[in-house]
Amino acid sequence: AQTVTQSQPEMSVQEAETVTLSCTYDTSESDYYLFWYKQPPSRQMILVIRQEAYKQQNATENRFSVNFQKAAKSFSLKISDSQLGDAAMYFCASHGSISSGSARQLTFGSGTQLTVLP
Amino acid sequence: DAGVTQSPTHLIKTRGQQVTLRCSPKSGHDTVSWYQQALGQGPQFIFQYYEEEERQRGNFPDRFSGHQFPNYSSELNVNALLLGDSALYLCASSLGRGGIVFFGPGTRLTVL
Repeated sequence: AQTVTQSQPEMSVQEAETVTLSCTYDTSESDYYLFWYKQPPSRQMILVIRQEAYKQQNATENRFSVNFQKAAKSFSLKISDSQLGDAAMYFCASHGSISSGSARQLTFGSGTQLTVLP
Repeated sequence: DAGVTQSPTHLIKTRGQQVTLRCSPKSGHDTVSWYQQALGQGPQFIFQYYEEEERQRGNFPDRFSGHQFPNYSSELNVNALLLGDSALYLCASSLGRGGIVFFGPGTRLTVL
């Protein structure tokens, strides 16, 4: 079983500044995947970034990067040069490998509502 | 390239009724999963369909059932609706059970 915890219900950032959203997880599996999804008011869930646990290098997608600390089971999202369009609910999620039986069953955290201030 | 589509967008039902939600996966995808997202919470996994069979199920009662058709589209059926079933129902698809998951826009179900 996997659990994902987001301890920041709300965060705010000034436009053009940097913000970091926190996420911790727990899993008994050795092979797993971690994700950050963005859900704007339209409610469309959009994949922001993906990290394979076996990769030591932190994933990066343009202004979005993660700090993956495997031993600490921590997976934070850093948004650089924040834009008004980044305002949304952000969910941290995980799933196990296909061999684990929990393949592609995403487990989500409770979300962090990000406000971007002009 | 069409993404994941869901119908209807919104639905209002009364307690005890039955409802069917529909999903068409992203072009080229063959695996469909359904999630329930209550207001202010993260999505909860309901079940996953692959090769027209339910492959995995979350902690949901048997009132929740589904189906996958040969064209990979899927239906979610909920019987004997309860007030607590009011939620956004998200469909997600992937290529194989190991592919990256893409979500549809959701169906907002309100049970009165």
